[in-house]
Amino acid sequence: GDSVTQMEGPVTLSEEAFLTINCTYTATGYPSLFWYVQYPGEGLQLLLKATKADDKGSNKGFEATYRKETTSFHLEKGSVQVSDSAVYFCALRKGAQKLVFGQGTRLTINP
Amino acid sequence: GAVVSQHPSRVICKSGTSVKIECRSLDFQATTMFWYRQFPKQSLMLMATSNEGSKATYEQGVEKDKFLINHASLTLSTLTVTSAHPEDSSFYICSANGASGGSSTDTQYFGPGTRLTVL
Repeated sequence: GDSVTQMEGPVTLSEEAFLTINCTYTATGYPSLFWYVQYPGEGLQLLLKATKADDKGSNKGFEATYRKETTSFHLEKGSVQVSDSAVYFCALRKGAQKLVFGQGTRLTINP
Repeated sequence: GAVVSQHPSRVICKSGTSVKIECRSLDFQATTMFWYRQFPKQSLMLMATSNEGSKATYEQGVEKDKFLINHASLTLSTLTVTSAHPEDSSFYICSANGASGGSSTDTQYFGPGTRLTVL
């Protein structure tokens, strides 16, 4: 079946560091890809998405590019802030089917 | 953007009682809603898919008689945890997808979650 694999956390960085959270997927067909963020004690918020190969999703300084050749959707940010501390989930979805989530990566940014 | 609300945000109940959690799409109609369960420091586990006007589709291993789902309208789905026990304590999150204004049917919008504690 379809699956998503994220880099294992936790990830701890200093403020203004460069962030990469790796995400690869296995799926038949052409899924849409998503990054969701979960702040402490809250539900998930959509961070960005891409619906086809080579699309780049971006939001709040975060970016991810849909790479079909490597089946990846790595999340990047050039300069992280303390407020970016959260759990990040990579996910895929085909059409109206259910979302398939990765295991989540906990990110902590120290001042 | 599309907004999904959940009520209550927190609930504490005694073992053996039933608890109802509401999930509402506030500015769009949701033909399909999803219920997830999240254990501490873990990913979301899909429990069931709720379709307006029809029976919910449960994931394997989820007891349909324990977790009753009702999707009575295009903006409301409810999850009732019947005869709750301490092992049912968890964070329950709903999501909805549908079409509204600038939102896309390809995007699920999540509620803020409900933390259930069963004593």
